Amino acid sequence: SQTIHQWPATLVQPVGSPLSLECTVEGTSNPNLYWYRQAAGRGLQLLFYSVGIGQISSEVPQNLSASRPQDRQFILSSKKLLLSDSGFYLCAWRSGTFSSYNEQFFGPGTRLTVL
Amino acid sequence: AQSVTQLDSQVPVFEEAPVELRCNYSSSVSVYLFWYVQYPNQGLQLLLKYLSGSTLVESINGFEAEFNKSQTSFHLRKPSVHISDTAEYFCAVSDRYTDKLIFGTGTRLQVFP
Repeated sequence: SQTIHQWPATLVQPVGSPLSLECTVEGTSNPNLYWYRQAAGRGLQLLFYSVGIGQISSEVPQNLSASRPQDRQFILSSKKLLLSDSGFYLCAWRSGTFSSYNEQFFGPGTRLTVL
Repeated sequence: AQSVTQLDSQVPVFEEAPVELRCNYSSSVSVYLFWYVQYPNQGLQLLLKYLSGSTLVESINGFEAEFNKSQTSFHLRKPSVHISDTAEYFCAVSDRYTDKLIFGTGTRLQVFP
């Protein structure tokens, strides 16, 4: 069966520090991968998605970047964190093969607090 | 572009009462519809989905949703809620031509004893 992992679970970082959040998927190959941010009291905002190694699409201009160095690994980064980067970050995957629907499966999330 | 509207940001309800969480989407072009549930400090879990066929879909824990094409709605209902149903509920839509889900802003269901 497929599983998705995210770490760390929680993170407290000072403004201006770098960031690296990691997401890995097991039990599937060539998945589509997604990074979402959920700010307090708000819905889900799609930040990046990837359909393959090295292929990253950015949905919104921001202080963050994403990379996919391996098929089942998706990394969210920042060189200098801002207060507004605080939030709950969710990674998700869906089957990359042609399928009749787009159901996504979510990881447990990372709670990031920037002070 | 597709959009999803969840009109109620919060829905308070007493235990064993019925509940309806509303969801409307913007386009009647062929779509797939989903309800996800998020318990505190956790990721999202798929609750139910509409792909095709019967317009009424059910989950294993008593929720159901009905796809209404003419009203472009996919409201979530449960005839009798439990304390454990307290969570945030997200409606999402995708079409058959993109790799993305479009989420609503969520509805927080608070069940009181």
